[in-house]
Amino acid sequence: GQNIDQPTEMTATEGAIVQINCTYQTSGFNGLFWYQQHAGEAPTFLSYNVLDGLEEKGRFSSFLSRSKGYSYLLLKELQMKDSASYLCAVRDSNYQLIWGAGTKLIIKP
Amino acid sequence: IAGITQAPTSQILAAGRRMTLRCTQDMRHNAMYWYRQDLGLGLRLIHYSNTAGTTGKGEVPDGYSVSRANTDDFPLTLASAVPSQTSVYFCASSDSDRGLMYFGPGTRLTVL
Repeated sequence: GQNIDQPTEMTATEGAIVQINCTYQTSGFNGLFWYQQHAGEAPTFLSYNVLDGLEEKGRFSSFLSRSKGYSYLLLKELQMKDSASYLCAVRDSNYQLIWGAGTKLIIKP
Repeated sequence: IAGITQAPTSQILAAGRRMTLRCTQDMRHNAMYWYRQDLGLGLRLIHYSNTAGTTGKGEVPDGYSVSRANTDDFPLTLASAVPSQTSVYFCASSDSDRGLMYFGPGTRLTVL
C-alpha cells in the first residue's frame, strides 16, 4: 500500500530552527508538496519539490531525496504564527495526491 | 469570488437527513475534489472529478455522492447522514501544471 509518515507533533522555541521529516512509499512519484494548516482553517500551499535538492522560499526550505523516499521542511527564525500543522503529500503515478496525517508544530516563547 | 467557496460554513444535522454541501470555484480548474478531515487521520479523499461531466471514487466514498454539471460547481450529497460522517469537509481544485491544490474554507458538519 501507499504510505506517508511524519511525526505527529513537534515542539520548538521562538527564533529557533525546526526540521519536519516526511518519508513516503508510493506507487510512482510525480512531485511532493508541503502545506500549512492553522487550526480551524484550510490547508495552504507552502512548497513543491519534484527534483532532488533544496528549494528555498524565505524562512522556509524543503528538501527532497527521491532515492530515499524522503523529504523535510525546514523552518528558520520561528515565529509564534508558525504554530500550525504541516502536511506532506506525494503525487503518485496516477497523479493522485497521497496525504500524510500531518505534523502539529507547537512554538513556545 | 476569489478561489473556492463552500457553503454552509457549519451545520448540525439529524441522523437520516439528506444534506448537500456546496462548492464553487472561479479559477477554471478542471480537477475538483472532496476531502474529509478527522483528528489523527489527515485528509481522506471522498470523490473527485477530473473534468466537467466525469466523477470518480476516492478512498472513502460510501454514503456520499457527487455531480459535476459544469466546471465551477461540485456539490457533495449525503443521502442519509450518519454520526460517523461528522467531520470537516474540504473542497479543493487543482491546476493542470504542477497539480497544485487549492482548498476552500471547509464545512464543519455534525451529525447527531
